[in-house]
Amino acid sequence: QVQLVQSGAEVKKPGSSVKVSCKASGGTFSSDVISWVRQAPGQGLEWMGGISPIFSTTNYAHKFQGRVTITTDTSTNTAYMELSSLRSEDTAVYYCARGSAVAGNALDIWGQGTMVTVSS
Amino acid sequence: SYVLTQPPSVSVAPGQTARITCGGTNIESKSVHWYQQKPGQAPVLVLYDDSDRPSGIPERFSGSNSGNTATLTISRVEAGDEADYYCQLWDNGRVFGAGTKVTVL
Repeated sequence: QVQLVQSGAEVKKPGSSVKVSCKASGGTFSSDVISWVRQAPGQGLEWMGGISPIFSTTNYAHKFQGRVTITTDTSTNTAYMELSSLRSEDTAVYYCARGSAVAGNALDIWGQGTMVTVSS
Repeated sequence: SYVLTQPPSVSVAPGQTARITCGGTNIESKSVHWYQQKPGQAPVLVLYDDSDRPSGIPERFSGSNSGNTATLTISRVEAGDEADYYCQLWDNGRVFGAGTKVTVL
């Protein structure tokens, strides 16, 4: 069973960038889509975008276009999410999740989450 | 952009039935997924494509989707079902509802 293991917590200054990784262990990304979803403290889930590793195509939420970049390294089965021009409102837990083709593209496997704190 | 409307909270006694609604324009034309999230944990998929259960999800979890409302139903509610529940669909991107906190009395 594939597991998604994310990189550790980050503390960043406003205006800087953060890059979070998400490695598939026990399997590969295969033909699935990897999404990134964030959750601000006490708030709901917010989709940021996704990538199809096999086709190298991306899809970003309008809100984050121009500020987020999602990539994959298929040789290491790792996906990355880079968010730039950070502001305090970007303080959140960032999750990667697999969109499963056999489950209607629902997000059936989630990483453990990475806390990103933006503070001066 | 497409908006999904969920009630902020639902309270239910153990052994009773909880119904969590997710409203959206003509939502019946879309496939709705449901996630459960307990405090400090990542979300878990409990239903996909309106009413299908992933492996390991109890039959107590069921779903429907008609008109402008999709519904997640939890039968014979247990204390362990206390969590936040989110509906989600695809509309030019993944759209999540704001979430419903289920409290087991």
